Amino acid sequence: DQQVKQNSPSLSVQEGRISILNCDYTNSMFDYFLWYKKYPAEGPTFLISISSIKDKNEDGRFTVFLNKSAKHLSLHIVPSQPGDSAVYFCAAIGTGGFKTIFGAGTRLFVKA
Amino acid sequence: DTGVSQDPRHKITKRGQNVTFRCDPISEHNRLYWYRQTLGQGPEFLTYFQNEAQLEKSRLLSDRFSAERPKGSFSTLEIQRTEQGDSAMYLCASSPRTSGRAGETQYFGPGTRLLVL
Repeated sequence: DQQVKQNSPSLSVQEGRISILNCDYTNSMFDYFLWYKKYPAEGPTFLISISSIKDKNEDGRFTVFLNKSAKHLSLHIVPSQPGDSAVYFCAAIGTGGFKTIFGAGTRLFVKA
Repeated sequence: DTGVSQDPRHKITKRGQNVTFRCDPISEHNRLYWYRQTLGQGPEFLTYFQNEAQLEKSRLLSDRFSAERPKGSFSTLEIQRTEQGDSAMYLCASSPRTSGRAGETQYFGPGTRLLVL
């Protein structure tokens, strides 16, 4: 069973506009959520995270929103840049655990 | 470069052969993770070490898989009697000791791509 779901395999956005990547989860025991970015031939790179006790975390152009009642989180990138083109993974960690559960990823294309 | 390194980057083997992968984490990181990633999927957790102790193993890690971290530094992942279904990218990650929460901000290596013929 997929506990972390990214239902959009790809997203295309014009440079300068907002990119919104979505993620849904099923396990209400997750207490930490993360976004990773992956370029081809490289391992994933940590981007931003949010604790389950918060609903928003912002870091520069990147903001993550968490809606616990809907079991939904989203990553906003504003403004989008061509260098943001990559695969973005949503991930979650359970309370007291070490296991990180990843979604299948969303490939973002930012067009110049 | 002081990031996580993995060796080899690519491995082609015949079904039934044994393979071993190595991961060198960032030197001050005491936590080390192995993941497997297949096409179109995100990384799947395999196992986790804190120093030399293997604290958690996924059900994905069958008895053909074994991981070690003998001195709490580098780690090896061995697959015995490889099967075609083992073909995947094997990722290693490390993280520093944190205040109590595990797993945040993992630093990934570039991965070892395994192809079993």
